[in-house]
Amino acid sequence: AQTVTQSQPEMSVQEAETVTLSCTYDTSESNYYLFWYKQPPSRQMILVIRQEAYKQQNATENRFSVNFQKAAKSFSLKISDSQLGDTAMYFCAFMKRNTGNQFYFGTGTSLTVIP
Amino acid sequence: KAGVTQTPRYLIKTRGQQVTLSCSPISGHRSVSWYQQTPGQGLQFLFEYFSETQRNKGNFPGRFSGRQFSNSRSEMNVSTLELGDSALYLCASRPGQLNTEAFFGQGTRLTVV
Repeated sequence: AQTVTQSQPEMSVQEAETVTLSCTYDTSESNYYLFWYKQPPSRQMILVIRQEAYKQQNATENRFSVNFQKAAKSFSLKISDSQLGDTAMYFCAFMKRNTGNQFYFGTGTSLTVIP
Repeated sequence: KAGVTQTPRYLIKTRGQQVTLSCSPISGHRSVSWYQQTPGQGLQFLFEYFSETQRNKGNFPGRFSGRQFSNSRSEMNVSTLELGDSALYLCASRPGQLNTEAFFGQGTRLTVV
């Protein structure tokens, strides 16, 4: 079974500052994907960033980057130059490769960006 | 291109009733998945449909069922509603089964009273 753990239920950051959200996972799979999804008050889940486990290079999308430590099964999200629009719930998610499209989600981290 | 559309957005039902929720995926997308989101259990996978066939099912009782039509639109049905079924139900669409990026709708908020 796959489990995803987000140990920070709530976090806050000053506008323009940097914040890191933590995520750890447990799996016996060797091929998989990891994701960070954002859920603003509109409730729509929006993909922030995706990492393929077989790629050693950490994924980056503009102000968002990850620190993927495969051996430690850790997948943290760094948000640089935080903006008010970044205020949302952030979910870490796991998906096995080539065996179906089921996401395993963490419990989420509520991030508030303070003006 | 229109996004994933879920209807209705809000629904209030009485315990014991049944409910049907609808999801229209992005045009051209053939895979539709459903998730239940509650404060206590978080986001849990219900099932996935591809080309009108259920490909994967989560650990939910048989009261939860779904189907997919030839135009890829999907419905999920919950019979004999219980208070614990109150949740946000999210639908996600993908072009195909091997695509990893999923596009979510805004969900249907179901309240069972």
